[in-house]
Amino acid sequence: EAQVTQNPRYLITVTGKKLTVTCSQNMNHEYMSWYRQDPGLGLRQIYYSMNVEVTDKGDVPEGYKVSRKEKRNFPLILESPSPNQTSLYFCASSSLRERYGNTGELFFGEGSRLTVL
Amino acid sequence: QKEVEQNSGPLSVPEGAIASLNCTYSDRVSQSFFWYRQYSGKSPELIMSIYSNGDKEDGRFTAQLNKASQYVSLLIRDSQPSDSATYLCAVKMRGYNKLIFGAGTRLAVHP
Repeated sequence: EAQVTQNPRYLITVTGKKLTVTCSQNMNHEYMSWYRQDPGLGLRQIYYSMNVEVTDKGDVPEGYKVSRKEKRNFPLILESPSPNQTSLYFCASSSLRERYGNTGELFFGEGSRLTVL
Repeated sequence: QKEVEQNSGPLSVPEGAIASLNCTYSDRVSQSFFWYRQYSGKSPELIMSIYSNGDKEDGRFTAQLNKASQYVSLLIRDSQPSDSATYLCAVKMRGYNKLIFGAGTRLAVHP
């Protein structure tokens, strides 16, 4: 079954305690991206990756890091979480079309709800 | 001005009616347009994509695009209670590797 898998699904942590949210896809997609979703603000892109070892900032990258060492995995790292990073996080992936870049037809993971106290 | 705007709703329609969801976008070089459906507590799922002006139909769903007016809409015919969800409009601009999402319109279909 084609899927994007995120872990953990739910996490409560405290300010400053480093955490990693993992994301893995089994569709051989080149493009992967992290979004956060907050009430009234919609989905905002944090980071994205066009392929292995190729990452770039989205609209709200502050306080986050990513890496893409393998094609299937794209972990999101919060080095020193703060309460304003309390949010619902989604990982998504997509295939690339040579002419237009990522297709925009995203497959989303189930989401990770993070609370930072 | 937000780049992609949607009425937050809720849009309430009776079962069997046509639900009309609207979205406007600000960037004229926008290239591709998408509608995602998100049930409460779930992740977004793609239901329609449209790339050129006009209508595109898929089952009970019709997407309509008017690039001159910077307007994209989603019609849901014969609305069912199972269509109750938040519908997200997303726009991809030429040369950019990201989607810009609207905040979503909540649709409620009542029996």
